[in-house]
Amino acid sequence: EADIYQTPRYLVIGTGKKITLECSQTMGHDKMYWYQQDPGMELHLIHYSYGVNSTEKGDLSSESTVSRIRTEHFPLTLESARPSHTSQYLCASSAGQEIQETQYFGPGTRLLVL
Amino acid sequence: GNSVTQMEGPVTLSEEAFLTINCTYTATGYPSLFWYVQYPGEGLQLLLKATKADDKGSNKGFEATYRKETTSFHLEKGSVQVSDSAVYFCALSDPSTNAGKSTFGDGTTLTVKP
Repeated sequence: EADIYQTPRYLVIGTGKKITLECSQTMGHDKMYWYQQDPGMELHLIHYSYGVNSTEKGDLSSESTVSRIRTEHFPLTLESARPSHTSQYLCASSAGQEIQETQYFGPGTRLLVL
Repeated sequence: GNSVTQMEGPVTLSEEAFLTINCTYTATGYPSLFWYVQYPGEGLQLLLKATKADDKGSNKGFEATYRKETTSFHLEKGSVQVSDSAVYFCALSDPSTNAGKSTFGDGTTLTVKP
């Protein structure tokens, strides 16, 4: 059972609002990731982190930002939400060992921007 | 760079049918290979993995063999159940490149009918 949590699970919000999607893990993992998942179910990496104070942009450009002040916490922020941000957002973590790069996923946040 | 190509879906089967979901990969190093499953409304979870050539991963009646000669990791199950209905993702993690990030296929949706 993976110990990675995301809140909120569902969010409906108006255009222009600032939102923060929370992600926490209790496994002590160094690496954390944010993915955006299309309705067609494809996963797109938008941000990742190797550890505290490390953040990198992923393969898909995103207007969101992330921070990694604590090992267990990797929040994602949208300063001004738009309908084009409507999607499912999945957070994941991995131990960062060379062989065992299994990723552990949270349950996701489904965001709807009106 | 690394890439994963998996069989396009959706796949619809009757209960007790045999399942194969094809997955092939391209990697510059010696990747670990994974199958993840995503049940409706949830995040991804690891189904099985293999870390070197000729390894067979297995779990819950599913199995996949790491075939280096054909660069494949096809998922199979002898007799599917309705509860196997989900989206299946093939993935690789190559520590020698891509900083250990995982590369995911586009997902294959499986529906099993009673």
